[in-house]
Amino acid sequence: DAGITQSPRHKVTETGTPVTLRCHQTENHRYMYWYRQDPGHGLRLIHYSYGVKDTDKGEVSDGYSVSRSKTEDFLLTLESATSSQTSVYFCAISTSGGHNEQFFGPGTRLTVL
Amino acid sequence: DQQVKQNSPSLSVQEGRISILNCDYTNSMFDYFLWYKKYPAEGPTFLISISSIKDKNEDGRFTVFLNKSAKHLSLHIVPSQPGDSAVYFCAASEETGANNLFFGTGTRLTVIP
Repeated sequence: DAGITQSPRHKVTETGTPVTLRCHQTENHRYMYWYRQDPGHGLRLIHYSYGVKDTDKGEVSDGYSVSRSKTEDFLLTLESATSSQTSVYFCAISTSGGHNEQFFGPGTRLTVL
Repeated sequence: DQQVKQNSPSLSVQEGRISILNCDYTNSMFDYFLWYKKYPAEGPTFLISISSIKDKNEDGRFTVFLNKSAKHLSLHIVPSQPGDSAVYFCAASEETGANNLFFGTGTRLTVIP
């Protein structure tokens, strides 16, 4: 257990509303990631962080922003949710950079109506 | 374009027999490969990895084979058990500081008792 929690675990919202998903880790790992999982696409990287206030874009970053003001928390924000952002969102941590496995949280299922 | 491909969406195997899951990649810069296992409503869990300097890595019932010239890897599970029934994702990364992973679309393995 890598000590990763995600909140909320389920959310239903309407198109155009802002949504923030939270990832919390208890082990002070430097690297944190947000992925989305969709049928036919596997998991795709949205944004990642390599330290407090240090973030960068992933493969599918359009429509998403992130913030990391503390080592333990990595927030994913949908400024104005769209139906195409209906997905399952996973947070992950890596104990270090380079070649290292990532450990995943339990996921958040987001539905945008 | 999908850089990591799992062309078999599903696989059924009898308990006790061998399960072989396949993965192909297109990016010649990938030099580290991982397999993850995912149960419904849970996050992916790390299973086994292999560096490009090796062509085989074993961990108990799980063996990963890498054929760099063919840009192909496979996961062998012997003997297969009903608890192995899950979705298996192949992932790959380049040697970068952030260890961004690129995932395949997954193969659903069903082990029949």
